[in-house]
Amino acid sequence: DAGITQSPRHKVTETGTPVTLRCHQTENHRYMYWYRQDPGHGLRLIHYSYGVKDTDKGEVSDGYSVSRSKTEDFLLTLESATSSQTSVYFCAVRTSGGLNEQFFGPGTRLTVL
Amino acid sequence: GENVEQHPSTLSVQEGDSAVIKCTYSDSASNYFPWYKQELGKGPQLIIDIRSNVGEKKDQRIAVTLNKTAKHFSLHITETQPEDSAVYFCAAKNYGGSQGNLIFGKGTKLSVKP
Repeated sequence: DAGITQSPRHKVTETGTPVTLRCHQTENHRYMYWYRQDPGHGLRLIHYSYGVKDTDKGEVSDGYSVSRSKTEDFLLTLESATSSQTSVYFCAVRTSGGLNEQFFGPGTRLTVL
Repeated sequence: GENVEQHPSTLSVQEGDSAVIKCTYSDSASNYFPWYKQELGKGPQLIIDIRSNVGEKKDQRIAVTLNKTAKHFSLHITETQPEDSAVYFCAAKNYGGSQGNLIFGKGTKLSVKP
């Protein structure tokens, strides 16, 4: 599992409420990613980080923000959740040293009612 | 930007048969092509990858081939077993642009019937 944990694993919330998902890694990887997975769309990149306090947008970043104050933690925030953000969210890390392989966490299933 | 097409979306085979999943990509600068296996309720797991300096890579019953001229790559699973049943994703990556992020295909649901 590349030392990745995600919390919570499941969450049900109501439209308009703020939600924060946490990704924690134990192997000191520089790069971290947040994806969402929806039927018919595969995996789509929301935001990524290439170091502490260094983040950038991905393909589907609208409505999401991220923060990385420590190497090991990458937070994804939905400021005001909408039903269209119901999805499964995956965190990933990327190894360095030439291989640059990407490994995924177990996922968070988020339902916005 | 890069676009990755994956076919078929579903694939059903008998145990012991071979399975082939194909992906095409649009950006000729892409140079890294991983394959992921996702079992129900779990995160995608990297099973094999190939880089643009080789045409084929094999790991036991799975192999990946790459045709850079045609911009397509394929996953081959031989002697399929029920535990191979899962959703498989291909991806392509260009190290040179936008921090080299992966672009994924939409996935193939493989069912292996005993």
